[in-house]
Amino acid sequence: KNQVEQSPQSLIILEGKNCTLQCNYTVSPFSNLRWYKQDTGRGPVSLTIMTFSENTKSNGRYTATLDADTKQSSLHITASQLSDSASYICVVSAGAMFDMRFGAGTRLTVKP
Amino acid sequence: SAVISQKPSRDICQRGTSLTIQCQVDSQVTMMFWYRQQPGQSLTLIATANQGSEATYESGFVIDKFPISRPNLTFSTLTVSNMSPEDSSIYLCSVVRGGSYNEQFFGPGTRLTVL
Repeated sequence: KNQVEQSPQSLIILEGKNCTLQCNYTVSPFSNLRWYKQDTGRGPVSLTIMTFSENTKSNGRYTATLDADTKQSSLHITASQLSDSASYICVVSAGAMFDMRFGAGTRLTVKP
Repeated sequence: SAVISQKPSRDICQRGTSLTIQCQVDSQVTMMFWYRQQPGQSLTLIATANQGSEATYESGFVIDKFPISRPNLTFSTLTVSNMSPEDSSIYLCSVVRGGSYNEQFFGPGTRLTVL
């Protein structure tokens, strides 16, 4: 059973609109949570990294939140652009330093 | 950030053949990993490439099928042996840099199609 669940699986929005992607995890112990953007045919690129004590972190138009008590994270994209079309992957690092658990990703399509 | 290059970027291979994928990093790193990403799926860790010793494989992956070399701290190869159509995937090299977050970087991937 995947310990990192992302929703929705896919999402289509119009350019300029905002959207929020969800990540729920059951990984324990918890070290940190990362959001990656993966363009088609490319490797994932890190957007944000949050540890247990961090509730929110921004990277330009991307804002990630973390609730370690409920084991939920969200990635909010503001004023979407066509270039935001990609897969967004949530990765939770378990207790061991390099024990990464990958979500299946959300496929976002931004249409003009 | 780390600059990671992979060769080839893509290939189409025949069943039963082998392909070696190269990963080059722009600076020395301790931790280097190989992942597989099957169509429409997320990333699955194949193995950790250890410099100077045998790679550490995850459950479901074996050295005979995915031999890995790590001759130094900036280079690694992954071979996909005796390929079948089920091996059609994107193969990604990844490294971890130290620091407060142990940030993980990925290469651009090698898209493999087995006919």
